[in-house]
Amino acid sequence: QKEVEQDPGPLSVPEGAIVSLNCTYSNSAFQYFMWYRQYSRKGPELLMYTYSSGNKEDGRFTAQVDKSSKYISLFIRDSQPSDSATYLCAMNSGNTGKLIFGQGTTLQVKP
Amino acid sequence: DTGVSQNPRHKITKRGQNVTFRCDPISEHNRLYWYRQTLGQGPEFLTYFQNEAQLEKSRLLSDRFSAERPKGSFSTLEIQRTEQGDSAMYLCASSPYGQGLLNQPQHFGDGTRLSIL
Repeated sequence: QKEVEQDPGPLSVPEGAIVSLNCTYSNSAFQYFMWYRQYSRKGPELLMYTYSSGNKEDGRFTAQVDKSSKYISLFIRDSQPSDSATYLCAMNSGNTGKLIFGQGTTLQVKP
Repeated sequence: DTGVSQNPRHKITKRGQNVTFRCDPISEHNRLYWYRQTLGQGPEFLTYFQNEAQLEKSRLLSDRFSAERPKGSFSTLEIQRTEQGDSAMYLCASSPYGQGLLNQPQHFGDGTRLSIL
């Protein structure tokens, strides 16, 4: 079993929809949680960075962490075709620099 | 603010050849990380440095792989006697670390895509 599980999709939504992306994890030591966006043939781009449980909002993006359930989410409001990309969750314990990534979810937003 | 720079962007080589990739981190970042990403998968950790010290290596980093960061600035990743299974995107990331800057997020370059013929 992988330490971080993420549904690869693909997920297809119409423009303007609310998108929900999720990851589950097994290691209770994880404290730092990140969401990255990756376009084809490019490197991952940091979207959200949260510590411990709770919500964080940045523009159209909201990240949620529920450590009791070992479950993290990224919500995208008013989705745009330019949001079409692969979304990667990543996490670590803080005791090491090593990030553990999910498989990534491919999102397509149709005009 | 220049980001993480990786060269070359694409490397095509024959099986059995040696290859070397370079990563230039964001200038004020003292931590530098290497990851490998295959198609349809998330990045997998290979190794990381704090300044010139290599702090951790993954079991994925076989003895054919070596990474260096001799002056605590740029880093190189060398693969000797390349194999078909080495075909992947090799990603470099960097972050600051120190007093008041513990566990900062990592910023990635656009990677070097390695194709083994």
